[in-house]
Amino acid sequence: KQEVTQIPAALSVPEGENLVLNCSFTDSAIYNLQWFRQDPGKGLTSLLLIQSSQREQTSGRLNASLDKSSGRSTLYIAASQPGDSATYLCAVRPHMGAQKLVFGQGTRLTINP
Amino acid sequence: GAVVSQHPSWVICKSGTSVKIECRSLDFQATTMFWYRQFPKQSLMLMATSNEGSKATYEQGVEKDKFLINHASLTLSTLTVTSAHPEDSSFYICSASWVAMETQYFGPGTRLLVL
Repeated sequence: KQEVTQIPAALSVPEGENLVLNCSFTDSAIYNLQWFRQDPGKGLTSLLLIQSSQREQTSGRLNASLDKSSGRSTLYIAASQPGDSATYLCAVRPHMGAQKLVFGQGTRLTINP
Repeated sequence: GAVVSQHPSWVICKSGTSVKIECRSLDFQATTMFWYRQFPKQSLMLMATSNEGSKATYEQGVEKDKFLINHASLTLSTLTVTSAHPEDSSFYICSASWVAMETQYFGPGTRLLVL
């Protein structure tokens, strides 16, 4: 059974710092991995999706990497801003025929001005 | 594109009443919709998966008679919480997907408070 873990559960950093959020999964046979952002009381917004054949994806100040063999993904946020404060969730799609996503517990990120 | 809406955004009801939550895909046809439940400061818990025109598949431990799911069209799924009790108070989020899509698109969520 696929399990997804995110460390740390919470992170607080000053504005302007670069930071890394971690996601690990127990079964390396995945179809894709996705990072989401969730603001308090809101739904999920997709940030980056990495296919199993890819090593990384970039969007603006965000960069997500994937190392399937070690069961790890990282989300790198450059030059953090207070507006980046949110909960970040990673989710794994186990295989193409699996419609369900397996979510991690999330990392609550606070960027202090 | 790929916008999913939910209605209502929040609802307060009395214990014992039933509440219906709608999930709509606004600009695409969703062959599959998912319903999640989220407790404060916790991750999403998948409750059920529904495919248009067929019965929903519930996750283990989710009472199908309490959480009725209907996916009658390619743009609408509903979740009815029957005989709601305070312990059903939670944040409910739906998502939708088309067969060729690589991911799910999430609605903004519905906060349910049962008094």
